[in-house]
Amino acid sequence: AQSVTQPDIHITVSEGASLELRCNYSYGATPYLFWYVQSPGQGLQLLLKYFSGDTLVQGNKGFEAEFKRSQSSFNLRKPSVHWSDAAEYFCAVGVDGSSNTGKLIFGQGTTLQVKP
Amino acid sequence: NAGVTQTPKFRILKIGQSMTLQCTQDMNHNYMYWYRQDPGMGLKLIYYSVGAGITDKGEVPNGYNVSRSTTEDFPLRLELAAPSQTSVYFCASSRTGAHTGELFFGEGSRLTVL
Repeated sequence: AQSVTQPDIHITVSEGASLELRCNYSYGATPYLFWYVQSPGQGLQLLLKYFSGDTLVQGNKGFEAEFKRSQSSFNLRKPSVHWSDAAEYFCAVGVDGSSNTGKLIFGQGTTLQVKP
Repeated sequence: NAGVTQTPKFRILKIGQSMTLQCTQDMNHNYMYWYRQDPGMGLKLIYYSVGAGITDKGEVPNGYNVSRSTTEDFPLRLELAAPSQTSVYFCASSRTGAHTGELFFGEGSRLTVL
């Protein structure tokens, strides 16, 4: 069965430090992979996505993610974290269905806290 | 730009009551989705629709119903509310389908069943 695992429930980093959020997926075919971010009291917003091609994808607000097929991973990184990056981050895999009824399967989420 | 609008934002229900969560989008998207979000569990798909008149069950449909009479609206009906339905509900829409395109989310509806 398809699944997404985010091993870290909560991460705290200092402002200006680098960040890596881990994501592992289980899916038999070539995956469509996404990172969404949720600020407190808000809905989710797309940060970046990977469909094919270059395995390093750039997203909004200086984030990037690298697809590693051999490790079934799609980790999110940022070189220097800003206080405004504090939020919950969700990794997701797109799963094909019949008649283009594909869905997203979300990981459990990682809450990022930024220390001043 | 309104995007995806959900109402109400907050609601408290008694066990056994029913209610409808409203969702409307102004982007002319064919694909619409209802998710519930519980702490530490990520988002679980309740129902989805690929166009007006077409709906289908997601991972956790029990206790819910939907309809899609227009492209814009996708209401979620809770029948006989139970404490297990206490959650934050998100409506979302997509132009090309959630598995390949961007999902646009509403701000959520927080429901408490007592």
